[in-house]
Amino acid sequence: EAGVVQSPRYKIIEKKQPVAFWCNPISGHNTLYWYLQNLGQGPELLIRYENEEAVDDSQLPKDRFSAERLKGVDSTLKIQPAELGDSAVYLCASSSRSSGDPYNEQFFGPGTRLTVL
Amino acid sequence: GEDVEQSLFLSVREGDSSVINCTYTDSSSTYLYWYKQEPGAGLQLLTYIFSNMDMKQDQRLTVLLNKKDKHLSLRIADTQTGDSAIYFCAESMSTGANNLFFGTGTRLTVIP
Repeated sequence: EAGVVQSPRYKIIEKKQPVAFWCNPISGHNTLYWYLQNLGQGPELLIRYENEEAVDDSQLPKDRFSAERLKGVDSTLKIQPAELGDSAVYLCASSSRSSGDPYNEQFFGPGTRLTVL
Repeated sequence: GEDVEQSLFLSVREGDSSVINCTYTDSSSTYLYWYKQEPGAGLQLLTYIFSNMDMKQDQRLTVLLNKKDKHLSLRIADTQTGDSAIYFCAESMSTGANNLFFGTGTRLTVIP
């Protein structure tokens, strides 16, 4: 079974440019997460989807970040315009947990490493 | 709030045991997890423990939980060079829709 797929793996852009990341979760996983991982830090949640609904986007900087999961399967995270401080690894994860289930095993993709110059 | 802390670095010799420690502040944690991250890869779940347990053993891995002190540890027996990676502890809570909150990670280096 294929794991969580992310593309691109690496992206280098100049500041003020837009950038988009794509994630395809494990088949059948209803919950999808986007995380930000700064160098030397643990992942921090940006947004959580249950099916096509964004149920927790409280940590997403909505002035420049947006995300969508239109058909409840794959998802795109966009930054427009990118800033120097956005350089980080963007991780996608998925899980099959049911709402209210306290056990939450998440499966992570390899991430997209973004460098903003 | 959620505050999960780990020491940043640990070096051990091949064949020795490694102990990675983690402290957390939220007493409403339901599950605590250990994830491993190898270079250029995503996080991989190693093991987990339910908050009403004190210990869990899984092959070379032993997880100890001291709920009173909010302290979690991961012991790796007979550490191998392939265990070199960054290890993250994470907690999920009964509030916050069981989102995971990760520590800063401990970089384990195994010396041959």
